[in-house]
Amino acid sequence: NAGVTQTPKFQVLKTGQSMTLQCAQDMNHNSMYWYRQDPGMGLRLIYYSASEGTTDKGEVPNGYNVSRLNKREFSLRLESAAPSQTSVYFCASSPMHTEAFFGQGTRLTVV
Amino acid sequence: GIQVEQSPPDLILQEGANSTLRCNFSDSVNNLQWFHQNPWGQLINLFYIPSGTKQNGRLSATTVATERYSLLYISSSQTTDSGVYFCAVYIRADSNYQLIWGAGTKLIIKP
Repeated sequence: NAGVTQTPKFQVLKTGQSMTLQCAQDMNHNSMYWYRQDPGMGLRLIYYSASEGTTDKGEVPNGYNVSRLNKREFSLRLESAAPSQTSVYFCASSPMHTEAFFGQGTRLTVV
Repeated sequence: GIQVEQSPPDLILQEGANSTLRCNFSDSVNNLQWFHQNPWGQLINLFYIPSGTKQNGRLSATTVATERYSLLYISSSQTTDSGVYFCAVYIRADSNYQLIWGAGTKLIIKP
């Protein structure tokens, strides 16, 4: 039982490159989330998916797209990376609006 | 929107000391979680505590939802307790629930 697994753990991109961050959970949770954490700050919600087949914007969605591939997987895509997207990205899952569980994070640097 | 305020922002203690961290929130919330982010960036679930008191070893938490605050107690601090402690509250946004995060309390335990 791995919980929430994110790949990759580290990534360096050049400005304008694209990439997809992968997230999978094995807890049969309905809801999944993507957050970013900038230095010295709390987490800010990028996108969430309340259930399979639905996605909604969070606080900071600009520059990102998401796909809820199935109940287990929720991916985050950066189409054209910018230095302002340098951050640590966390994926999380939860049963309906109860305790959330987090992956180990992806440290992304855009140069 | 709802405001989540944590205090103190920084706390430096000697090993063995006790501490109390506070989380105030400005509106009614559905649930609340406490997290520890260790120096390696990993987010660790401490408590899921919508109301009442819970204890886990040297840590305990109390949420008084009617008065809109939660407290995290750490007794007999160890150096491994160092890191940032976040509280996050669940609110209902449209038909979904979202986690809103405080800015965190940075705790340093000196040997």
